[in-house]
Amino acid sequence: AQTVTQSQPEMSVQEAETVTLSCTYDTSENNYYLFWYKQPPSRQMILVIRQEAYKQQNATENRFSVNFQKAAKSFSLKISDSQLGDTAMYFCAFMGNNAGNMLTFGGGTRLMVKP
Amino acid sequence: DVKVTQSSRYLVKRTGEKVFLECVQDMDHENMFWYRQDPGLGLRLIYFSYDVKMKEKGDIPEGYSVSREKKERFSLILESASTNQTSMYLCASSLSQGLAGYTFGSGTRLTVV
Repeated sequence: AQTVTQSQPEMSVQEAETVTLSCTYDTSENNYYLFWYKQPPSRQMILVIRQEAYKQQNATENRFSVNFQKAAKSFSLKISDSQLGDTAMYFCAFMGNNAGNMLTFGGGTRLMVKP
Repeated sequence: DVKVTQSSRYLVKRTGEKVFLECVQDMDHENMFWYRQDPGLGLRLIYFSYDVKMKEKGDIPEGYSVSREKKERFSLILESASTNQTSMYLCASSLSQGLAGYTFGSGTRLTVV
């Protein structure tokens, strides 16, 4: 079974600065997908960014980018120019190719952006 | 926009009650999922369904059952609610090819007293 580990339960960052959230996973599969989801206080889970394991290029979505290290099974999220609206829980998630499209989530990181 | 609607935002039930949590999606997604969210544990999969009348157990199905009589609706049933089922419950849906990720509902915070 796959496992996803987020080692930072809580983090804080000053507005306009950069922060990196860590995620590691364990799998024996070669092809899979990785996701970062954001859950603001409104509780609505929002997809932030996704990465396909067979693509070597790191995914980028505006201020959000990932550092995908396949050999190390690491998938960190970098948030540049942090904004107050980035305050949320962030979940890393794994989807295998033969997992019936099930997502396995990490325990989450609570990010606080301070003014 | 795809919408996943959960019928209740907050719910308080008594121990031993039968509880129904309803979820409806409006984009013809094949897959539907029920997760529970607890601090430090992230989201854990209870049940999922990849078609009408089909259901599969997730990681923590004990004490729960599900029903999917129509494609757009996926119900989670707590047969006899217990205090350890106090949690946030999240419903999600996705296309059969899941790379697009899930669309989530806003969650139901259930308290069992």
